[in-house]
Amino acid sequence: QKEVEQDPGPLSVPEGAIVSLNCTYSNSAFQYFMWYRQYSRKGPELLMYTYSSGNKEDGRFTAQVDKSSKYISLFIRDSQPSDSATYLCAMSGNTGNQFYFGTGTSLTVIP
Amino acid sequence: DAGVTQSPTHLIKTRGQQVTLRCSPISGHKSVSWYQQVLGQGPQFIFQYYEKEERGRGNFPDRFSARQFPNYSSELNVNALLLGDSALYLCASSSPAGGGRDIQYFGAGTRLSVL
Repeated sequence: QKEVEQDPGPLSVPEGAIVSLNCTYSNSAFQYFMWYRQYSRKGPELLMYTYSSGNKEDGRFTAQVDKSSKYISLFIRDSQPSDSATYLCAMSGNTGNQFYFGTGTSLTVIP
Repeated sequence: DAGVTQSPTHLIKTRGQQVTLRCSPISGHKSVSWYQQVLGQGPQFIFQYYEKEERGRGNFPDRFSARQFPNYSSELNVNALLLGDSALYLCASSSPAGGGRDIQYFGAGTRLSVL
């Protein structure tokens, strides 16, 4: 079983839609949860960083962590064509220096 | 401020050759990590260095090695290249918070093609 599972999609939505992206994980030691956005042939760009359970909002983006279910989500409101990219979840523990990534979800927002 | 810079951007090698990839971290960051991203997959951890010392190593063969210099830049070396080494190699630098509290910022990567 992989440490982090993420549905690869692809996901296609109309402009203005609410997008929900999700990851599950198996390691209960994970404490830090990140979402990165990666455009084609570019490096990942940090979107959201959260610690432990709860919600964090930044503009149109909301990150949600449910440690009891080992489940994290990223919501994108009022999606724009410029949001079209691959979204990667990542997580790490207190003692490890390694980030564990999901496989990424490919999102296309259609104008 | 400059972000993480990697060179070269693209590299083509043949099987059996050796390759060196380079990374300069964000100014003030003392930690550098290397990841391999195969097409359609998420990044896989290879190494992390902090203050020139190896702090972590992923599940990669000994053909992969790295080092960090006094100015915190880093090199990743891969010997005896295999076709399966074709990937985007990403470097990430992080602030010196340590442990899982690090936030890693990525460069644009070096795309390695092994023929």
